Order: sequence, then C-alpha cells, then structure tokens
Amino acid sequence: SSELTQDPAVSVALGQTVRITCQGDSLRSYYASWYQQKPGQAPVLVIYGKNNRPSGIPDRFSGSSSGNTASLTITGAQAEDEADYYCNSRDSSGNHLFGGGTKLTVL
Amino acid sequence: EVQLVESGGGLVKPGGSLRLSCAASGFTFSSYSMNWVRQAPGKGLEWVSSISSSSSYIYYADSVKGRFTISRDNAKNSLYLQMNSLRAEDTAVYYCARVDSSGWYSAFDIWGQGTMVTVSS
Repeated sequence: SSELTQDPAVSVALGQTVRITCQGDSLRSYYASWYQQKPGQAPVLVIYGKNNRPSGIPDRFSGSSSGNTASLTITGAQAEDEADYYCNSRDSSGNHLFGGGTKLTVL
Repeated sequence: EVQLVESGGGLVKPGGSLRLSCAASGFTFSSYSMNWVRQAPGKGLEWVSSISSSSSYIYYADSVKGRFTISRDNAKNSLYLQMNSLRAEDTAVYYCARVDSSGWYSAFDIWGQGTMVTVSS
C-alpha cells in the first residue's frame, strides 16, 4: 500500500540514543528522507538517501534501512532535538508519501 | 542565499479559488523539480503536487486531483499552485519545496516559510 507508518510519539532521556522508525512498502524500493519540524517552523531535512546529512546537520543524526523499515537514530539526544519528525519516500507511481510524524520528547 | 518565498494565501469561501506563488532565488531554479506540501492545523505533512524541471512530469495527490493545477515559469524563477473548488479540508499552511533526487531517493532539501490558506464561509 502507498502509506508510511510512524509511531505517534517517542521519548528519550537527555544524552541517550533514540530510534524513530518508518514502515512502508515503498521503502523496499526507495530510501526514506527524514525531516525535523519545530513548532511554527518549516520542516528541515536531516537525513536523505542511504545515510546522508545536509550541511549543518549534527552527526548525531543517522539513518538506516532494512526491508520495508527505515530508521532515524539520534545518538546522544539534546534538548534542541525535541521536535516532530517525518519520514518521506516515493511510490512507484511517482507520488510522494509522508509518514504521519513522530513527536519526540527529550526528558 | 538559497531561498523560497511563498505568497498568495488568505481566506476564501468554500468553492472559491486561490493562486499561490513561490519565488525562488539563490539557485538554478530550472534544474530542479519542485513540489507543494501542505500541513493542516495540528496535523502532519501532506504532499500535494510535484512538477519536473521542464514541466514534463506533473503529479497530484488524489485529494486535490482535478481541482489543483501546478505550474512553473523558469524565466521568472517561480512556482505556482492554482487551487479551484476549495473545500474546508484544504485549510492548511502550504509550503513549496525543492527536490533533490536520484534514482533511489527524493528529498525535499529546501522549504519556504509557508503561506496559510483558510477555507471558510
């Protein structure tokens, strides 16, 4: 199906590691991209392709993929990482898909 | 500085029309596919439409197909979204976004600040 599924909410203790996952059939053919969105702001690309970070994105953000599941890992989460995270991919028809988003809370 | 600036949002009655614009600067606009993505209040991101660099390929989400039309003017470095037959459920912040893609991924690497569209009587 042309859907991407994310857990609605995840929490992590300050300085610990957290993984945010995204599931969907399209991920068997295309890598996911990941976006961070803070309240009142536009989304920001944090991971794309196999595991690429745009300029300015800290190296504590990394991506991985296996089968129909893509993961965004934050190693050593910081208070400023508290945000909504969205995955995105394409389907075979050329349409883009977004996951429903995961709200990350840093405790 | 690479920048996308949307304009044209506002309040419109159900059944009405609105045209959004997105002005690009700081990069070779004609080399990139462009997209519209929207976000209803308190909700997640929803892809709306995509147009290839030369306008050869155009795609729409099922929710807007037949009502919205995406277009671009590479000479003016501008992207447009003509929205007709607007519904309350079209109420959202509309973002334009540049696409960086290869055969294995397609990432929205540059986003505008968004423009709010409110459909209400």
